[in-house]
Amino acid sequence: GALVYQYPRRTICKSGTSMRMECQAVGFQATSVAWYRQSPQKTFELIALSTVNSAIKYEQNFTQEKFPISHPNLSFSSMTVLNAYLEDRGLYLCGALTGGQNTLYFGAGTRLSVL
Amino acid sequence: QQQVRQSPQSLTVWEGETAILNCSYENSAFDYFPWYQQFPGEGPALLIAIRSVSDKKEDGRFTIFFNKREKKLSLHITDSQPGDSATYFCAASAQGTGSKLSFGKGAKLTVSP
Repeated sequence: GALVYQYPRRTICKSGTSMRMECQAVGFQATSVAWYRQSPQKTFELIALSTVNSAIKYEQNFTQEKFPISHPNLSFSSMTVLNAYLEDRGLYLCGALTGGQNTLYFGAGTRLSVL
Repeated sequence: QQQVRQSPQSLTVWEGETAILNCSYENSAFDYFPWYQQFPGEGPALLIAIRSVSDKKEDGRFTIFFNKREKKLSLHITDSQPGDSATYFCAASAQGTGSKLSFGKGAKLTVSP
């Protein structure tokens, strides 16, 4: 089955610092990767959608300057949270979509805490 | 604006009973509806999904009933087990936008032994 690995699982950073999280698709080719943030209240926000050979599309309230994403191949994507502050806390989820299917498979997430 | 709504927010059933989780949506363009199961500290795992051309999808103890006219669907979990205790999210997407899911706020299910 489709597996999506995210690391680190948890991270703590000081306010104003940055942290990078990674996403690896195993067993399938992730033609599209969607980065979501799940708030402490459990709501989901789509940050951006990255499709191989296409420009990365950021949702409203999220920018490349704040959340730069790299999607160099069909199995790997990374996202950095720059200048993290308290409002950036949450569970960052990588969802991978394989071509021909409409199903988004999520990793276990990277939980970001900001001190 | 919440495009996908879930009710109830929480539900407790006894082991062996059927749990019913409801979902409704606003956008008529939505045609794909996955349900995700999430345990504490984990990411959401795809449980079962249905497309709008169908009115029912069954997978073991999990069944989705879909009513396109009323823009409603429900997830039925028969013979509920304590291991089914989790938060369940109803989601929806429109054709060609599979990665852009709109999520409900979730329903916390507790199955008591």
